[in-house]
Amino acid sequence: AQKITQTQPGMFVQEKEAVTLDCTYDTSDPSYGLFWYKQPSSGEMIFLIYQGSYDQQNATEGRYSLNFQKARKSANLVISASQLGDSAMYFCAMREESNFGNEKLTFGTGTRLTIIP
Amino acid sequence: NAGVTQTPKFQVLKTGQSMTLQCAQDMNHNSMYWYRQDPGMGLRLIYYSASEGTTDKGEVPNGYNVSRLNKREFSLRLESAAPSQTSVYFCASSASGRSDRFYGYTFGSGTRLTVV
Repeated sequence: AQKITQTQPGMFVQEKEAVTLDCTYDTSDPSYGLFWYKQPSSGEMIFLIYQGSYDQQNATEGRYSLNFQKARKSANLVISASQLGDSAMYFCAMREESNFGNEKLTFGTGTRLTIIP
Repeated sequence: NAGVTQTPKFQVLKTGQSMTLQCAQDMNHNSMYWYRQDPGMGLRLIYYSASEGTTDKGEVPNGYNVSRLNKREFSLRLESAAPSQTSVYFCASSASGRSDRFYGYTFGSGTRLTVV
């Protein structure tokens, strides 16, 4: 079973509009963390936002917010007032503990976001 | 600048050749990782190392070996390269602790490997 599911392969959004990128996850661990990364065409991985499984409030970082619905196992990224520079691949990732307390980060397949002027 | 350094940035191999991808971090992180990214795909974990002297298989370990030489360095070796190993390889490092606590991952800039 997929640990992280991103169902939107690509999205086109008008500049200055808000956009929601979907992410659902699957884990039986009570303790985990959820990340969103941005990968522009240059290829580097840029950290955007983090949500811990026990965090009571949704995470926010500037124009980015994470809509965390724990019971539904979803962690959607919301970008407000989109900009042309937001065009990139976006990856949702989950950290959970594996054997012997080691933890690892598992990625979804990504969503390619294109902002239209 | 502090971070994760990967070498080389680009490499072309012939089928059957071997090579080692090098990764070093200077942030005193305990954990290090090797991922591969195929076109249009997310990153898939090849191997990881939670601490010096330990390594564990990830999702796609076949065809690869790793060495955690010391706390700073984590190398990935392709013993007999195959066209299916054409990919972009990312090394990453992180501190360690509880899964639900925030600590970041630092990624290298990637190695673009082509096997012909």
